[in-house]
Amino acid sequence: GAVVSQHPSRVICKSGTSVKIECRSLDFQATTMFWYRQFPKQSLMLMATSNEGSKATYEQGVEKDKFLINHASLTLSTLTVTSAHPEDSSFYICSARVAGTRGTQYFGPGTRLLVL
Amino acid sequence: TQLLEQSPQFLSIQEGENLTVYCNSSSVFSSLQWYRQEPGEGPVLLVTVVTGGEVKKLKRLTFQFGDARKDSSLHITAAQPGDTGLYLCAGADSNYQLIWGAGTKLIIKP
Repeated sequence: GAVVSQHPSRVICKSGTSVKIECRSLDFQATTMFWYRQFPKQSLMLMATSNEGSKATYEQGVEKDKFLINHASLTLSTLTVTSAHPEDSSFYICSARVAGTRGTQYFGPGTRLLVL
Repeated sequence: TQLLEQSPQFLSIQEGENLTVYCNSSSVFSSLQWYRQEPGEGPVLLVTVVTGGEVKKLKRLTFQFGDARKDSSLHITAAQPGDTGLYLCAGADSNYQLIWGAGTKLIIKP
């Protein structure tokens, strides 16, 4: 099956610093990847759609200058949380869509971010 | 705006019992996915259903897509403690963007 990796799995940083999270499709090429945020005991909240070779599409209310997304290759998308603050602490999950599957997404294992 | 209503949001039952989780919408979906998520991990795909009326089985789990492709159900037979987790349904719209249900937190007590 399609495998998506995510790194790091956990990160603790100081307020004001930037954190980069990587999302890789290991055994397939993904022209479209997605970044989600999940709060405790809740469903997934889509932050942005990452398209290879073009600018990401952000959902309403998500600051594109704070959450920088780069999808420079068919197997790698990165999310950089700039000038992180404690309210950015959350569980961030990426996914990749497999072509020809009518929308099926495969998810990475997630990154737990804690901003002190 | 497409919505996908998932119910129940929480279910706690004894081992060996059966259960059904529902996802309903007034909109038609291109496909519908069911995922299971453990705490601190990403969702794992269980099944994708595409055709109206389609039924798929995965061991003790039975997934059904409504005839009109607006709703779906997940039925678990003889639930086991290992079935505990958060179950999420997601419908793909015409642009293949996923619309998510709120999730069902399932606890199976031994």
